[in-house]
Amino acid sequence: DVKVTQSSRYLVKRTGEKVFLECVQDMDHENMFWYRQDPGLGLRLIYFSYDVKMKEKGDIPEGYSVSREKKERFSLILESASTNQTSMYLCASTSGRAASAETQYFGPGTRLLVL
Amino acid sequence: GDSVTQMEGPVTLSEEAFLTINCTYTATGYPSLFWYVQYPGEGLQLLLKATKADDKGSNKGFEATYRKETTSFHLEKGSVQVSDSAVYFCALTTSHSGNTPLVFGKGTRLSVIA
Repeated sequence: DVKVTQSSRYLVKRTGEKVFLECVQDMDHENMFWYRQDPGLGLRLIYFSYDVKMKEKGDIPEGYSVSREKKERFSLILESASTNQTSMYLCASTSGRAASAETQYFGPGTRLLVL
Repeated sequence: GDSVTQMEGPVTLSEEAFLTINCTYTATGYPSLFWYVQYPGEGLQLLLKATKADDKGSNKGFEATYRKETTSFHLEKGSVQVSDSAVYFCALTTSHSGNTPLVFGKGTRLSVIA
C-alpha cells in the first residue's frame, strides 16, 4: 500500500515564525502536491512538483515556498507565518507513470494554528 | 478554467436512506472524474472514478455515472450507514498522466444518524 506521511498532525506557531511542513511518500512517486483545506472553500492547491528540484505554483502560492531535494520528500515552508495561514494542510502524491487517470494518495493532514 | 460544482451541505440522513450528492463540472477536453471521501480526522481517499463518458464507477455500495451530455457525475448510494458519515469531494483532471493536479469541488459533509 502507498503510504504518505506528514511530520505532524497538529502544530501551533506564532505569527512571524518560519514553519516547515514535511511530507514523505514511500512508493517512488514522481508527483507530489500540497493543498490547504478550509471550511466552505474545499481544497486549494498551493504548489506541486513533478520531479526532484522541480516545482510549479498552484492557485494560492503567496506566502509559501516548497522544497523537493529528494524524490520521496516534499516540504512546504511558510516563510513568515500569519494568522490567515491557520488551516489544514494536505499532502498528496501520484506515480506519474500510469496510462490513465491516476489516484492521488493523501497524507492524514497537518492542522496548523498560527497565533 | 476547469471547475467542479457540488451541492452544498451539510446533508443529514437517517440510516438506510437513499443518498444523492450532485456534482457538475466544466472542463476543456475530456476529463476523468473522481469522488474522494474524507472520514473524520483523516486525509482524503479515493472512493471511485470514471475515465470516459457513460462509465460507471462503484465502490462500497456507492455509484456514479459519467454523463457527458449533462456534464455531471452524481454520487448515489441506496442505503447509507452511520459509518458513511464523512466529507465527499468531487474532482476532475484533464490530464491522464497524473502530472496535472486535480480540481476539487468544495466538499459535501454527510451525517448519517441511527
